[in-house]
Amino acid sequence: SQQGEEDPQALSIQEGENATMNCSYKTSINNLQWYRQNSGRGLVHLILIRSNEREKHSGRLRVTLDTSKKSSSLLITASRAADTASYFCATADTGNQFYFGTGTSLTVIP
Amino acid sequence: GAGVSQSPSNKVTEKGKDVELRCDPISGHTALYWYRQSLGQGLEFLIYFQGNSAPDKSGLPSDRFSAERTGGSVSTLTIQRTQQEDSAVYLCASSLEGWGQGYGYTFGSGTRLTVV
Repeated sequence: SQQGEEDPQALSIQEGENATMNCSYKTSINNLQWYRQNSGRGLVHLILIRSNEREKHSGRLRVTLDTSKKSSSLLITASRAADTASYFCATADTGNQFYFGTGTSLTVIP
Repeated sequence: GAGVSQSPSNKVTEKGKDVELRCDPISGHTALYWYRQSLGQGLEFLIYFQGNSAPDKSGLPSDRFSAERTGGSVSTLTIQRTQQEDSAVYLCASSLEGWGQGYGYTFGSGTRLTVV
């Protein structure tokens, strides 16, 4: 399937450290998105990177995309306790639906 | 409203009963998706509406599941004769255009369905 797979499944860091999460996928994509989900809450769209872009920044977030390796990374700099959440990447091919992985569970320890 | 609204936020139902879940997307968004998320699992695509086109129902797990989108706005997901395996969080998302057009999606907070 096209499902994006996040790595690692779980990550625990100290507040102030950087957190890096990776996403791999299987087929060609138009763009890739990262989402955050806090416990018991809905998904929040973080950032979208198009297939012709290699890097994108938004605040403390930095996303890279390597279409040759079919992979993306999400870097959260200077992490805060409030960043504790699950992070998902979403991809789609030329079909209609997205494909989400099971996510990376990030815990930021104050 | 400013976001995607889903109701109810929680629903407990007895096995065999029918349930209706509602999604009110952002005004003007033409694309609407339903997903479900079971405990510890990723999101599972259910159905996609785009404008006036026929919906993509390829993700519906059985004929007990159906969905409508009236007037290109509010959507209702109906599950008939609920089973315990239907227990999950049902998420709705909308977007200004369909996937691939470069727009992010806005998700609702979901409906947590528990079948007892």
